[in-house]
Amino acid sequence: DIQMTQSPSTLSASVGDRVTITCRASQSIDRWLAWYQQKPGKAPKLLIYDASSLQSGVPSRFSGSGSGTEFTLTISSLQSDDSATYHCQQYKSYWTFGQGTKVEIK
Amino acid sequence: EVQLVESGGGLVQPGGSLKLSCVASGITFSSYWMRWVRQAPGKGLEWVANIKQDGSEKHYVDSVRGRFTISRDNAKNSLYLQMNSLRVDDTALYYCARVLRGHILDYWGQGTLVTVSS
Repeated sequence: DIQMTQSPSTLSASVGDRVTITCRASQSIDRWLAWYQQKPGKAPKLLIYDASSLQSGVPSRFSGSGSGTEFTLTISSLQSDDSATYHCQQYKSYWTFGQGTKVEIK
Repeated sequence: EVQLVESGGGLVQPGGSLKLSCVASGITFSSYWMRWVRQAPGKGLEWVANIKQDGSEKHYVDSVRGRFTISRDNAKNSLYLQMNSLRVDDTALYYCARVLRGHILDYWGQGTLVTVSS
């Protein structure tokens, strides 16, 4: 099974900050990675797929990069609405998620 | 507007059974793979089961294989998850989701809570 590890588990940043979340795979997954945003009490929302493709309707301040085993989700200028937990998901072999990264606004 | 609405969750004793349902609207349900994903309290997401458009292919995570059965009724735009021999560690919020391009989940329901406890 492919394991996904996200870091950090929690981060606190101010509005306007650049924020980066890392997701590491236990083996190469090429670019078969998606990112989801989940707000409290809500279902996850697809942000990015194929490591860097932005889902329709998602603000351009979100971007993804990486390949192989290391990936990043970047929020270029953090907004208050971005307070949420972010999950990565690999789909190279079956489907597994990271444990999530909670983003808090200072 | 796409809507996925789950139901059927509740409190059940270990060893018991539950059947979850998910009704879809605003999509051509029969054109898509569908998936169940769960989230235990305070934990990450875990895929549970997938089903092909015509129901001819199904996949299960190891921890539920042999206990859970995914099915669908395209005439009713409905997805199901029959859960038998439930265990305490099956306690979670269960989401149904539409699968895009075979792997990505682009629409999710709001979830139905399953609690397994004596």
